[in-house]
This record gives sequence, structure tokens and C-alpha cells, in this order.
Amino acid sequence: GENVEQHPSTLSVQEGDSAVIKCTYSDSASNYFPWYKQELGKRPQLIIDIRSNVGEKKDQRIAVTLNKTAKHFSLHITETQPEDSAVYFCAASMGSTLGRLYFGRGTQLTVWP
Amino acid sequence: ETGVTQTPRHLVMGMTNKKSLKCEQHLGHNAMYWYKQSAKKPLELMFVYNFKEQTENNSVPSRFSPECPNSSHLFLHLHTLQPEDSALYLCASSQDRDSPLHFGNGTRLTVT
Repeated sequence: GENVEQHPSTLSVQEGDSAVIKCTYSDSASNYFPWYKQELGKRPQLIIDIRSNVGEKKDQRIAVTLNKTAKHFSLHITETQPEDSAVYFCAASMGSTLGRLYFGRGTQLTVWP
Repeated sequence: ETGVTQTPRHLVMGMTNKKSLKCEQHLGHNAMYWYKQSAKKPLELMFVYNFKEQTENNSVPSRFSPECPNSSHLFLHLHTLQPEDSALYLCASSQDRDSPLHFGNGTRLTVT
């Protein structure tokens, strides 16, 4: 199987609703979990990250939760806006080295006005 | 505006051509990376350079040859590529190996 599995592959929500994207990972040594947003034709941009010594982190409308025991982490976007529409990638570090990341396949999020 | 600049943005090349992709970072970072992004597949790490030294070659075919003359510049030399090598090639940098990645806008490569 893949090192990081991401679900769902596509997600459509109405503006103002919440969106949740889930990832699982297999490397028990992973301790850094970033999320990237990639708009069409643009570069991936880091939107939030979490390290293994923290269970939850929030930044305005975006939050990430981590369950190390179950090896899964999730991205939560509240009060979604059309400009949130993009592909979101989760990633997990290869062991303790952050720059070497396993990426998920991505989730295409569409927010309808 | 991104601190990581990639050129060209688009490249079309035949299988017998030789071309190079260029990446420059203005962030003072010490580590640089090449990633490959193909449709419906996860981002794949290709090469890692830390302080100009290659620390990882992720089983990449020899038709891809990286070069890192200094900590600000990274090249990917391409030779006798295959159509399946068509993808978006992303350069990234980080302060060190344990810091978040900053990506460039990528080079969209098409091999005909």
C-alpha cells in the first residue's frame, strides 16, 4: 500500500459549510504532518502543519488533528469560501526528516457559492 | 511572490533532446529538492541536496541528472526522456532538513 492514504479524492461543499479531509500513514517514525493547498496552475503552499507532540492545531478557519496511535490526521476547514477551492495534499515525514515527505494523492475541494 | 523561482514554466522536448530545468531560491535556505508531480499520483521526491551535497537519489533513472552548484541554485538536466516522464517538476527549498518546504511554481514538461 501507499505510505500516505488520503480521502476523499474529491469533495464538494456549499459555501459556509465545513470540509474535512482525512489521511492515514504507515511509517510509525513519522513526526511531522504538513498540509499543502495547490490552486490550479500554481505551486503547493503550506497552509498548516502539526508535529507529533501536539494533538490539535488551529489557525483561523483551518484546524488539523492528529491521532498518533491510530496513525491518522485530518484537516478541517470551517465556514468554507469559494476561494478555498483547490487541491489539498497531506504529507507525513519520512521518519524524523521533515524535508523528506510522503504525500497523499490529493483532494480536489470545490466550494459552491 | 514565491521565494523559489523555476524556469522555464513550460517545456516541450523530443525524446532525443537535452534540456535543463533551473531553480533558484532567494530565502537563504540550505536544502533544495526536486519533486515530480504526475496526474492522479502522489508527489514523488526525486533528489535532495543539503548544503550543496546530494543526500538522496530516490531511485531516479539516470536520464535525470541533478546539479547543485551552490545552496541557492539547483538544476535538473534531462536527456533521452520518455513520454511517461511528462509531468510537473517542482523545486522546493527548506531552511534545513527539518523545516517546512517552500515550493516553486514548477516546470510543466511534455515529452513528445
